[in-house]
Amino acid sequence: AQTVTQSQPEMSVQEAETVTLSCTYDTSENNYYLFWYKQPPSRQMILVIRQEAYKQQNATENRFSVNFQKAAKSFSLKISDSQLGDTAMYFCASPESLNFNKFYFGSGTKLNVKP
Amino acid sequence: EAQVTQNPRYLITVTGKKLTVTCSQNMNHEYMSWYRQDPGLGLRQIYYSMNVEVTDKGDVPEGYKVSRKEKRNFPLILESPSPNQTSLYFCASSLGGATYGYTFGSGTRLTVV
Repeated sequence: AQTVTQSQPEMSVQEAETVTLSCTYDTSENNYYLFWYKQPPSRQMILVIRQEAYKQQNATENRFSVNFQKAAKSFSLKISDSQLGDTAMYFCASPESLNFNKFYFGSGTKLNVKP
Repeated sequence: EAQVTQNPRYLITVTGKKLTVTCSQNMNHEYMSWYRQDPGLGLRQIYYSMNVEVTDKGDVPEGYKVSRKEKRNFPLILESPSPNQTSLYFCASSLGGATYGYTFGSGTRLTVV
């Protein structure tokens, strides 16, 4: 099975500061998509950002951006100007190499934003 | 409002008593999928469906059944639940599978005693 690794079980950041969550994955494909999902205490899974591996440019959505290093198979999420509402579990996700219908999630990083 | 609706939100049942968790989406999505979430393991895919009557196993299909008789519905069936199936379950749908990412339901917390 494909693996998606999030090595930081828990992180903390002060409100208004910047934090980076790391994720590595394995795939043998050339073009694929990577995702970050947010799960607040309400437990709803919310798509934060999507990156197409074929594109050189890192994806950005407001205060959320990625640092995509294709050769290193690294896909980190940067949250700028952290807000209390960013407190949540964050999951990195990637489809399987040979079957894009099979989807793998990392184990998650719990982010605490402190006032 | 575009959404994935799953029911019930919470369920406590006894070992061996058949149960069904319903899932419905109103976005006309082709792809639907079921996941279970356990602490420290993230979300793991149980089954997925690419269209009506087309389903396939995910990573952890043992003990589960699904059916896709209509495009909008994708129920998860536990024929004989066991305590190791105690988990948080999510249904999700997508326009184009893993290409676009999935829209998730609000989850079902299942406890099997």
